[in-house]
Amino acid sequence: DTAVSQTPKYLVTQMGNDKSIKCEQNLGHDTMYWYKQDSKKFLKIMFSYNNKELIINETVPNRFSPKSPDKAHLNLHINSLELGDSAVYFCASSQARGLGETQYFGPGTRLLVL
Amino acid sequence: GNSVTQMEGPVTLSEEAFLTINCTYTATGYPSLFWYVQYPGEGLQLLLKATKADDKGSNKGFEATYRKETTSFHLEKGSVQVSDSAVYFCALSDRAFGNEKLTFGTGTRLTIIP
Repeated sequence: DTAVSQTPKYLVTQMGNDKSIKCEQNLGHDTMYWYKQDSKKFLKIMFSYNNKELIINETVPNRFSPKSPDKAHLNLHINSLELGDSAVYFCASSQARGLGETQYFGPGTRLLVL
Repeated sequence: GNSVTQMEGPVTLSEEAFLTINCTYTATGYPSLFWYVQYPGEGLQLLLKATKADDKGSNKGFEATYRKETTSFHLEKGSVQVSDSAVYFCALSDRAFGNEKLTFGTGTRLTIIP
């Protein structure tokens, strides 16, 4: 009965590879997000989708491409991985886009690029 | 732009001590304010929130009051427990060009010693 799930939990790969991270929410929420958490625990939003439509794109390199096949899923594909992409990536969802809406986070995907 | 400033960690306290983690913010509009907590190896979860000035959010013995005049949302707990050891994030949600997003502080690591 996990609310927001991500796969894989850990991802170790070589520089230059392409990888995907998947996210699913079973809360019936309309809005989903991707965040990046660096080694100092700093969290920054990357993308947000509302009903499969991209609404936030925070100057992320175009090697990162989100895809939302339906409103319960938001996947993140990363091309040509670089060392600086090593981080924890969190998916989140919220009921709507209101100012006070609570976001529910997944457990994170720990990506290590060697 | 929007920003959130939290007190630098790490913070180490003895069990049953009083806790304050300071948080101040800068925002263009009238943001909602949040405290999220991240336990080791997990994703973030909402601890409490306040959506307008003078509101007090509370949960699990933690409290924070939205102070518009001092642009602050300090987190307090009267008597901490070992199980409160985690990283605490202050965040704000503001509407910029119709796109709501969370802006996080840098996080404060709290360790409670028995």
